[in-house]
Amino acid sequence: GAGVSQSPRYKVAKRGQDVALRCDPISGHVSLFWYQQALGQGPEFLTYFQNEAQLDKSGLPSDRFFAERPEGSVSTLKIQRTQQEDSAVYLCASSLPRTGYNSPLHFGNGTRLTVT
Amino acid sequence: GDSVTQMEGPVTLSEEAFLTINCTYTATGYPSLFWYVQYPGEGLQLLLKATKADDKGSNKGFEATYRKETTSFHLEKGSVQVSDSAVYFCALSGIKAAGNKLTFGGGTRVLVKP
Repeated sequence: GAGVSQSPRYKVAKRGQDVALRCDPISGHVSLFWYQQALGQGPEFLTYFQNEAQLDKSGLPSDRFFAERPEGSVSTLKIQRTQQEDSAVYLCASSLPRTGYNSPLHFGNGTRLTVT
Repeated sequence: GDSVTQMEGPVTLSEEAFLTINCTYTATGYPSLFWYVQYPGEGLQLLLKATKADDKGSNKGFEATYRKETTSFHLEKGSVQVSDSAVYFCALSGIKAAGNKLTFGGGTRVLVKP
């Protein structure tokens, strides 16, 4: 596709519910990242995939957070037993090269999660 | 670990004023440096980047110079427009980061009034 696509755009969940957020990266992009952006803050790294391999999950805040990319394209971020502190915008980004730390990331518009 | 510090906003300016947003970083070695912009209702977009010391990134009238000696990457524009109203994020990609993982600053909201 033309850009990184995320769905849903908005999600309201009651505390304790499970949610699943989807990311469709740019076709052919090898690297995929998830970020969490709290209101008024900069994005915070959650996890990184290279194709289907999850190479870095150091930013996941708890074991309630789980991400997968089983076929190396679409990725899903799952949050179990949501808490109010999980309310944030979840951003997905993709990039073409496997390595190359000077390559920019292409971001989706994000999913705004509100936990009530 | 890697970190980025940028000036807090909001910054309110009149049209055609000069804009500076300060950004300093802490990282091992020689990271790549970026400015991203988030316009209202839109996703993060790359504004400019610099990959080595003394490089100057530029785009849409914005400039930033990679200063290794001061570990800074300040963003400047000589004459802002109302359409420049947005949130600006300074970011770095460190040499030890997985893939090209970005570390962001907290963002600076800029409001340009006509």
